[in-house]
Amino acid sequence: ILNVEQSPQSLHVQEGDSTNFTCSFPSSNFYALHWYRWETAKSPEALFVMTLNGDEKKKGRISATLNTKEGYSYLYIKGSQPEDSATYLCAPAATGYALNFGKGTSLLVTP
Amino acid sequence: EPEVTQTPSHQVTQMGQEVILRCVPISNHLYFYWYRQILGQKVEFLVSFYNNEISEKSEIFDDQFSVERPDGSNFTLKIRSTKLEDSAMYFCASSANSLSGKTQYFGPGTRLLVL
Repeated sequence: ILNVEQSPQSLHVQEGDSTNFTCSFPSSNFYALHWYRWETAKSPEALFVMTLNGDEKKKGRISATLNTKEGYSYLYIKGSQPEDSATYLCAPAATGYALNFGKGTSLLVTP
Repeated sequence: EPEVTQTPSHQVTQMGQEVILRCVPISNHLYFYWYRQILGQKVEFLVSFYNNEISEKSEIFDDQFSVERPDGSNFTLKIRSTKLEDSAMYFCASSANSLSGKTQYFGPGTRLLVL
């Protein structure tokens, strides 16, 4: 089991603001890092899977970076919209099948 | 777009009873998983399953739990004798390929309440 920390725990921004969250994890035994977006009463939605140090992934206004040597990943949202309101989960994985989830960052975007 | 489905969406049971949670993974996927989230806590890995056998399991997945793929489409999680602490949201997931570098697609979950 990997110890995963996400910060901040929650975030409240205005529409149009850009924001970022952090995921910290042990740098040893790293295989991949997953980011999910989770809205209440829905399935967690896969955003990114990253495996290499220095990886950067982008999907629309959302992007993520990965530093495996120091054990962190950043998720950025540019120009937040109310529909971005959700909990964002990171889940690093060691070798094997299990994803180790953090507690998530709860984002609220108000008009 | 293909998706993972789970039934029932909610289940209430008495302590000591057996429950079976059902999942239909995405049709061409070969790897299947169960996770759970106790209210207020992190999502936790329970078990992964491939080629009709368990490939990895966590400490949570003790003898009270079992998984099965009874036919070509369903994947089930059985809890033999439920305890109060089994109350949680249970998620099924599936992936097309092995290992953690491949996306796991999650279902909407079954909320289990043990009284």
